[in-house]
Amino acid sequence: DQQVKQNSPSLSVQEGRISILNCDYTNSMFDYFLWYKKYPAEGPTFLISISSIKDKNEDGRFTVFLNKSAKHLSLHIVPSQPGDSAVYFCAASSRDDKIIFGKGTRLHILP
Amino acid sequence: DADVTQTPRNRITKTGKRIMLECSQTKGHDRMYWYRQDPGLGLRLIYYSFDVKDINKGEISDGYSVSRQAQAKFSLSLESAIPNQTALYFCATSDRRTYNQPQHFGDGTRLSIL
Repeated sequence: DQQVKQNSPSLSVQEGRISILNCDYTNSMFDYFLWYKKYPAEGPTFLISISSIKDKNEDGRFTVFLNKSAKHLSLHIVPSQPGDSAVYFCAASSRDDKIIFGKGTRLHILP
Repeated sequence: DADVTQTPRNRITKTGKRIMLECSQTKGHDRMYWYRQDPGLGLRLIYYSFDVKDINKGEISDGYSVSRQAQAKFSLSLESAIPNQTALYFCATSDRRTYNQPQHFGDGTRLSIL
């Protein structure tokens, strides 16, 4: 039973355009959500997070939106740059210390 | 120097061998975790520890054991390795103050079991 789903294994976006990565969750106990970025041969690195009391969090080119009623969150990258090509993992955590990662979405930024 | 260091970075071994993967951290974090990554399956939690002497099973702990020797060290053992344990293994740490702290990952150990 996948509690955190990233349904797009890969996504290609033109450089300079907006990249939108999506994540759905099923467990209503999750109340904190994080996005991690992973380059080949490196560990995941934390990118941005959002608490369930908010519906938006912004950090430079990265914005995360949370729709609690739909149990859906999305990561927007504007404008997309070549260095954004990586695998992006969505993760969800709850107060009982459960942390679940999605399967990841590979983002390709095209020149 | 990396804050979270995993050794070895790569290991090839045979079925039935005992293997230990080591993780050390200089971040001063209390919480440490072991994950495995398989193609198409994302990161799955094997074991985690919130303090020295605290050990908790994760999603896929069968076939693995861990030891938290000190606050800064958390090792993962495969007592008798089998081919389906071939994967990329990551150690991670986080601050204990609240549950919603991001994790800091090492660069991984690529393990191949023949």
